[in-house]
Amino acid sequence: GAVVSQHPSRVICKSGTSVKIECRSLDFQATTMFWYRQFPKQSLMLMATSNEGSKATYEQGVEKDKFLINHASLTLSTLTVTSAHPEDSSFYICSASGSSGSRSEQYFGPGTRLTVT
Amino acid sequence: KQEVTQIPAALSVPEGENLVLNCSFTDSAIYNLQWFRQDPGKGLTSLLLIQSSQREQTSGRLNASLDKSSGRSTLYIAASQPGDSATYLCAVQGGSNYKLTFGKGTLLTVNP
Repeated sequence: GAVVSQHPSRVICKSGTSVKIECRSLDFQATTMFWYRQFPKQSLMLMATSNEGSKATYEQGVEKDKFLINHASLTLSTLTVTSAHPEDSSFYICSASGSSGSRSEQYFGPGTRLTVT
Repeated sequence: KQEVTQIPAALSVPEGENLVLNCSFTDSAIYNLQWFRQDPGKGLTSLLLIQSSQREQTSGRLNASLDKSSGRSTLYIAASQPGDSATYLCAVQGGSNYKLTFGKGTLLTVNP
């Protein structure tokens, strides 16, 4: 149980375009979802936390107008990278928690490799 | 601000060896600590989760310990195998927003 999927697994886009990444909880209701970014040889950095039906909470230094997060249902959250630039190239990973307040375990998706040319 | 450090950054061992990976954190006010495995270009696989009230957890050849007061955790891998080769990440959960803070990981290579 507790499976989280991400789509797409890899995406290449041109500079200036927007890219949407989906994160789905397949067998549980995800009250809270998290989006992380991981640069090569670096640790995962939390970008934002979203609770179903409410606005996402962004970490300091993350541009909310550039990284749009929507958590419209208990099984789906999306991250849209708007006007992508090469420096946005990274590995994006989502996680989901089945309880509000997210003290319970987070289940991670397989990640999406974004390359901006 | 919570900081998580993992030592060593990389480790190469021959097959069959027992090994220890170390994790330290600066703020002992945590809810839990988790060890993950990450294969190249892949997502995270949860290995062990230790609640703040616990001292250790075991799963197969893996044993993780937690000393919350000193801000330390170790992951012990017994009888290592080439299939154990991966990056091992330590993460602590804490704070009012239950945030997970990750270390940079230890890249483990087990040579046949």
